[in-house]
Amino acid sequence: GENVEQHPSTLSVQEGDSAVIKCTYSDSASNYFPWYKQELGKGPQLIIDIRSNVGEKKDQRIAVTLNKTAKHFSLHITETQPEDSAVYFCAASKAAGNKLTFGGGTRVLVKP
Amino acid sequence: NAGVTQTPKFRILKIGQSMTLQCAQDMNHNYMYWYRQDPGMGLKLIYYSVGAGITDKGEVPNGYNVSRSTTEDFPLRLELAAPSQTSVYFCASSYRGGRNTEAFFGQGTRLTVV
Repeated sequence: GENVEQHPSTLSVQEGDSAVIKCTYSDSASNYFPWYKQELGKGPQLIIDIRSNVGEKKDQRIAVTLNKTAKHFSLHITETQPEDSAVYFCAASKAAGNKLTFGGGTRVLVKP
Repeated sequence: NAGVTQTPKFRILKIGQSMTLQCAQDMNHNYMYWYRQDPGMGLKLIYYSVGAGITDKGEVPNGYNVSRSTTEDFPLRLELAAPSQTSVYFCASSYRGGRNTEAFFGQGTRLTVV
């Protein structure tokens, strides 16, 4: 089955700096890669996703890049703010709407 | 729309007791999922359903059962609770077919088995 590895497990950045989280996946049939943000005591919420026919996608301060050949994808958060502090999960799936395999999560702390 | 609603939010069980975690969605999604999240870990798939009457095992199904008699509801049953089932449980739903959607998650049920 699919295996998703996520690094780093914790990330501390100064407010205004950038944060980068990296994930690798094992199943070449995966073609949908969402990123979820989980705040304390809440369920995960989708922040951005990318499909395999796209190499990069951007939404304001958040961007995701995908390298299908190398089987890795990354989340980039620019100009970080205290409200970006949360746990972020990457995931992979064979299609949007299908069951997801999650990475282990990255706890991001943005220091004011 | 309420989205995905899980009850209860918290529960303490004694070893050997049983309980049902409830999950309901009002988005007319055909796919529903149960995940568990252990401390500091990612989410692992327990069971999923692609429509009413159809369920299948995920990565960690042992000790759990599910049923899907309606599109809206997808309860998770623990028959003989064990300490290893102490976790946070998340229900999620999505739509596949035509316009596929992301997975939407409930707020979670924190279960402690003592």
